[in-house]
Amino acid sequence: GQQLNQSPQSMFIQEGEDVSMNCTSSSIFNTWLWYKQEPGEGPVLLIALYKAGELTSNGRLTAQFGITRKDSFLNISASIPSDVGIYFCAGQPRGAGGTSYGKLTFGQGTILTVHP
Amino acid sequence: GAVVSQHPSRVICKSGTSVKIECRSLDFQATTMFWYRQFPKQSLMLMATSNEGSKATYEQGVEKDKFLINHASLTLSTLTVTSAHPEDSSFYICSASSGGGDTQYFGPGTRLTVL
Repeated sequence: GQQLNQSPQSMFIQEGEDVSMNCTSSSIFNTWLWYKQEPGEGPVLLIALYKAGELTSNGRLTAQFGITRKDSFLNISASIPSDVGIYFCAGQPRGAGGTSYGKLTFGQGTILTVHP
Repeated sequence: GAVVSQHPSRVICKSGTSVKIECRSLDFQATTMFWYRQFPKQSLMLMATSNEGSKATYEQGVEKDKFLINHASLTLSTLTVTSAHPEDSSFYICSASSGGGDTQYFGPGTRLTVL
């Protein structure tokens, strides 16, 4: 099946630093999504990207949908301790008629640790 | 809006017993619900997709007779782990969307421990 390669696997940073993580795929996705998961909780949607080349921000978070439709990155600026968690990218393939088809494929996750 | 709940949040059962997990969309009608499994320090793996009123579609390698899914209404889907064994211990997460290609909203997950 489709696989997403997410990197880095983990990051240990100081509060205030910027963070960047990315996902690449061997196949095209119609939609790219970025989620954050905290221990013992389900993933929470951070940013959704629907068009190739799209750059979207949500507060200190910025994500881009790669022009080839095979990659995406997420940046977090000026990190704070509550940014700690696991960040997942997810891709949604193109379905019939060019719309997105429901199944999500998740990346392996990036574990973010922020030291105060 | 778009709140999804799961019950129970944690369950411990003996090997050989069956466990039912509920997934509810609280403020929208979920035409499609998805069930995922997540092992420690791993990503989410899709187990099955269910559309209201029809049979679930299972991913390759997922036993449909072991993981029974029912999506009888637009706000409720259930996953029953039958004859559970210790290797079924995992974090089970559901998601719901109002359409096949629409945004999926995730539940808080259910931690299953089989002794």
